[in-house]
Amino acid sequence: QLQLQESGPGLVKPSETLSLTCDVSGGSISNNDYYWGWIRQPPGKGLEWIGSLFHGGGTYYDPSLKSRVTMSVDTSKNRFSLNVTSVTATDTAVYYCAREGISSRHFDFWGQGILVTVSS
Amino acid sequence: SFELTQPPSVSVSPGQTARITCSGDNLGSKFASWYQQKPGQSPMLVLYRDSQRPSGIPERFSGSNTGNTATLTISGTQPMDEADYFCQAWDRTTRVFGPGTKVTVL
Repeated sequence: QLQLQESGPGLVKPSETLSLTCDVSGGSISNNDYYWGWIRQPPGKGLEWIGSLFHGGGTYYDPSLKSRVTMSVDTSKNRFSLNVTSVTATDTAVYYCAREGISSRHFDFWGQGILVTVSS
Repeated sequence: SFELTQPPSVSVSPGQTARITCSGDNLGSKFASWYQQKPGQSPMLVLYRDSQRPSGIPERFSGSNTGNTATLTISGTQPMDEADYFCQAWDRTTRVFGPGTKVTVL
């Protein structure tokens, strides 16, 4: 069974960079049938897509975050990562990593999520 | 930019049918997916490609997508179906989620 696990700091200071990693087990991140994505959910609010990437190259970001977001993949460790620069309180959210079907762009496996709070 | 809209809430009696709509410009020409999220849990995919159910999702969950509206139908709604439901689609290179609908089973 595929499993995804987010990790990283739970507290980030304003103006600094938020960095998270998603470890994938039970399946290969190099599978050509899938993208790998990040989605976040501010407290009490809805889901926000951040971006998706393909193991062989190709990254797609939400236009509103594009200038601050970078995603990367490490196939040797079967993991992918997210960096968000210049964070503010509005970046406080539960961050999820998920597997995305390449044919219809649906997210079929999700991590448990990690709460990241932006505060000094 | 492409946007999706959903009603904030839907109430349904146990055993009855709940219908949750998701609207977007020409949504019927795209694939819609639906996610269920219970408090404190990660979202769970309940429908993809408009009407396909992942393994383990009960048959009472069904879907359609035509024109500008996708619909998630829960037939014979059970108390365990009380949750937030989010629709999702993609446009060009962007994935978009709807704002969510809280389904209350009274």
